[in-house]
Amino acid sequence: GAGVSQSPSNKVTEKGKDVELRCDPISGHTALYWYRQSLGQGLEFLIYFQGNSAPDKSGLPSDRFSAERTGGSVSTLTIQRTQQEDSAVYLCASSILTGEGAFFGQGTRLTVV
Amino acid sequence: AQSVAQPEDQVNVAEGNPLTVKCTYSVSGNPYLFWYVQYPNRGLQFLLKYITGDNLVKGSYGFEAEFNKSQTSFHLKKPSALVSDSALYFCAVSKGPGYSSASKIIFGSGTRLSIRP
Repeated sequence: GAGVSQSPSNKVTEKGKDVELRCDPISGHTALYWYRQSLGQGLEFLIYFQGNSAPDKSGLPSDRFSAERTGGSVSTLTIQRTQQEDSAVYLCASSILTGEGAFFGQGTRLTVV
Repeated sequence: AQSVAQPEDQVNVAEGNPLTVKCTYSVSGNPYLFWYVQYPNRGLQFLLKYITGDNLVKGSYGFEAEFNKSQTSFHLKKPSALVSDSALYFCAVSKGPGYSSASKIIFGSGTRLSIRP
């Protein structure tokens, strides 16, 4: 597609439920990033995929968070047993090379009630 | 480990005056450096990048940034601010040229730029 696409754009879930957030990167981009942005705050790195290499999971805040990238394209971020502190905007980005910078999707706003 | 510091939460500038948004970084080896802007209720937009070469980098909307290796800084500048420049600005760093493996991009905490008429 023309840009990075994320779905859903908004998600309201009850505490304790699992959620899946989807990211479709720009076609041909081998690198894919997930970040979390709390209201008006900075971007917290979560996880990074690069080609067939093992993902860099160093930013995942707990074992309730996981992500996968199938076929080197679409990625899914899964949050199990959601907590209120998980409420944030989850941003996905992709790039063809790190030095070219990353292109961001519009994000998924997650609200845990 | 990579890190980025944006020491100012907020910068206030009068329209027409020059602006500077500060950024310092820490990374092993040579860096790739980036600036992004986030307007209210909109996604992150790429402004400019430093990869190698000239220390002064020019980007979108009249912005520029100066790479200073000795001070590990990459400050964002604009000679004459516009009210429409008001937004949240993020500096970012990744491991750069000469690093054989691909690298994540780490962002700073952001600086809110407010331009008054």
